[in-house]
Amino acid sequence: RKEVEQDPGPFNVPEGATVAFNCTYSNSASQSFFWYRQDCRKEPKLLMSVYSSGNEDGRFTAQLNRASQYISLLIRDSKLSDSATYLCVVTETGGFKTIFGAGTRLFVKA
Amino acid sequence: GAGVSQSPSNKVTEKGKDVELRCDPISGHTALYWYRQRLGQGLEFLIYFQGNSAPDKSGLPSDRFSAERTGESVSTLTIQRTQQEDSAVYLCASSWTGNTEAFFGQGTRLTVV
Repeated sequence: RKEVEQDPGPFNVPEGATVAFNCTYSNSASQSFFWYRQDCRKEPKLLMSVYSSGNEDGRFTAQLNRASQYISLLIRDSKLSDSATYLCVVTETGGFKTIFGAGTRLFVKA
Repeated sequence: GAGVSQSPSNKVTEKGKDVELRCDPISGHTALYWYRQRLGQGLEFLIYFQGNSAPDKSGLPSDRFSAERTGESVSTLTIQRTQQEDSAVYLCASSWTGNTEAFFGQGTRLTVV
């Protein structure tokens, strides 16, 4: 089983749609959680951290369920500019090893 | 520098040759990571450093791959006797600690012909 698993997609959605990405991780002792975004042929960049209580940043909402070892990202009112690959990221206990999921590709169309 | 710097940005090498990829992390970042990304694929973890130590080398694909870090700063990833399957973008990232945001360099695109 992979340490971090994501649905690879692609997700093809119209502008204005709401889309949700899911991610599961295998190490119950994992410590920190993030969502990164990677544009085509670019390096990944932090989108948002994921907190136990859930957190929101504008149109983006992240949730963490430690019991189920599950992380989610919800994008509301999708924009064309949201088209990218979204990477689920988990840091193991001790904060030393950062593991990236393979990413979920999103295409938002007009 | 202001960000993570990798060099060279592009490298074309002949099969069987050795290559050395360099990463200059953000000053003061203790954690440094190397990842590989093949075309159209996700990030593949290779190795990370905490200071100059590499607690986990399990991601290195074969003994042709090695990495070192000195002065808690610059890191080099060396690939010996390159093979065509080594062709990929090699990304380096650094962070204050493993629990904080990782900043990536723009990568080295390696092509083995």
